[in-house]
Amino acid sequence: QQQVKQSPQSLIVQKGGISIINCAYENTAFDYFPWYQQFPGKGPALLIAIRPDVSEKKEGRFTISFNKSAKQFSLHIMDSQPGDSATYFCAASMGDSSYKLIFGSGTRLLVRP
Amino acid sequence: GAVVSQHPSRVICKSGTSVKIECRSLDFQATTMFWYRQFPKQSLMLMATSNEGSKATYEQGVEKDKFLINHASLTLSTLTVTSAHPEDSSFYICSAIRYTEAFFGQGTRLTVV
Repeated sequence: QQQVKQSPQSLIVQKGGISIINCAYENTAFDYFPWYQQFPGKGPALLIAIRPDVSEKKEGRFTISFNKSAKQFSLHIMDSQPGDSATYFCAASMGDSSYKLIFGSGTRLLVRP
Repeated sequence: GAVVSQHPSRVICKSGTSVKIECRSLDFQATTMFWYRQFPKQSLMLMATSNEGSKATYEQGVEKDKFLINHASLTLSTLTVTSAHPEDSSFYICSAIRYTEAFFGQGTRLTVV
């Protein structure tokens, strides 16, 4: 059972544009929602994360929007750059001691110059 | 941010042999580490949770006798792929928990020939 659904599978954006990636979850016990960036042949790197007590978090060009009632959260990349071209994964975990992450299927972002 | 190092980054082995992959937390202690497997253009699939000083917890469908995990210290977890076969070829990634965040290693590309 896929607990975190991510879309789109791939995304092409022009330089300077806004990239938007969406995720939806099923388990209401999830209380930590990170986004990871992965370049080919590398491990994922934490980009930004949010907890359900806030509806939005911004760090530089990256913003997470969180809708608890809809069980959805999204990543917005403002002023997208070619260097942002990578695969992005959303994830979710519960607040127990396991910190076990459930990953979305990933979105391959290509930012054209 | 916290640093997690994996070794080796790439390994090629012959069918039937065993391969050990190391995951180290370089600047923090980690009582919990996770091992993931990632196929090309796919998401991270959790294989097991590695707990310092106790037996690993394996996800459903993961053969514990084939994927041996040892977490002998607070900074080191190892994954040994025993009697490797070509279908075990994959990208293996570990993560370590610092406070409530997961930090990932750079991954190990295993090729079984």
